[in-house]
Amino acid sequence: QKEVEQDPGPLSVPEGAIVSLNCTYSNSAFQYFMWYRQYSRKGPELLMYTYSSGNKEDGRFTAQVDKSSKYISLFIRDSQPSDSATYLCAINTDKLIFGTGTRLQVFP
Amino acid sequence: NAGVTQTPKFRVLKTGQSMTLLCAQDMNHEYMYWYRQDPGMGLRLIHYSVGEGTTAKGEVPDGYNVSRLKKQNFLLGLESAAPSQTSVYFCASSYSGDNYGYTFGSGTRLTVV
Repeated sequence: QKEVEQDPGPLSVPEGAIVSLNCTYSNSAFQYFMWYRQYSRKGPELLMYTYSSGNKEDGRFTAQVDKSSKYISLFIRDSQPSDSATYLCAINTDKLIFGTGTRLQVFP
Repeated sequence: NAGVTQTPKFRVLKTGQSMTLLCAQDMNHEYMYWYRQDPGMGLRLIHYSVGEGTTAKGEVPDGYNVSRLKKQNFLLGLESAAPSQTSVYFCASSYSGDNYGYTFGSGTRLTVV
């Protein structure tokens, strides 16, 4: 079993939609969870990080961790075409372990 | 403030040739990493360094070597390139090994023919 599993998509939504991106992980000891955004032909950039369980909000983005089900989510409200990118979840042990990424396309 | 700079951005190699990818960071970060990114495989760690003069193996180290002679630079070498090493290579750095996320470079697209 992979340590982090992520649906590769692609996910295509209309502008203004609420987007839900998800990952599952295998080790209940993981504490630090991150989301990276990667535009085409660019390096990943840190979008959000959370510690342990709960929610964290930053503008239109909300990161959620459910440690009981080992599930992490990223919600994007009022999605924009500029949100079109690949989103990678990551878990920090002593190094980052990445999911495979979900490609999101927001069309006008 | 350049962040993490990778050179070259693109390269085509013939099987058996060697090359070195350079990563430079200007953030005084202790930790540096080399990843490769392949379709459907995500980012996989090749080698990493926790400080000047140190290196360690990651998930997929075979066929690669690294050196960290200066704190700001991390070199990735391919001694005898193979088509399986066709990939996009990303360098990253972080202040510490945990919790604060990594800063990535813009990548090197390598094709081995």
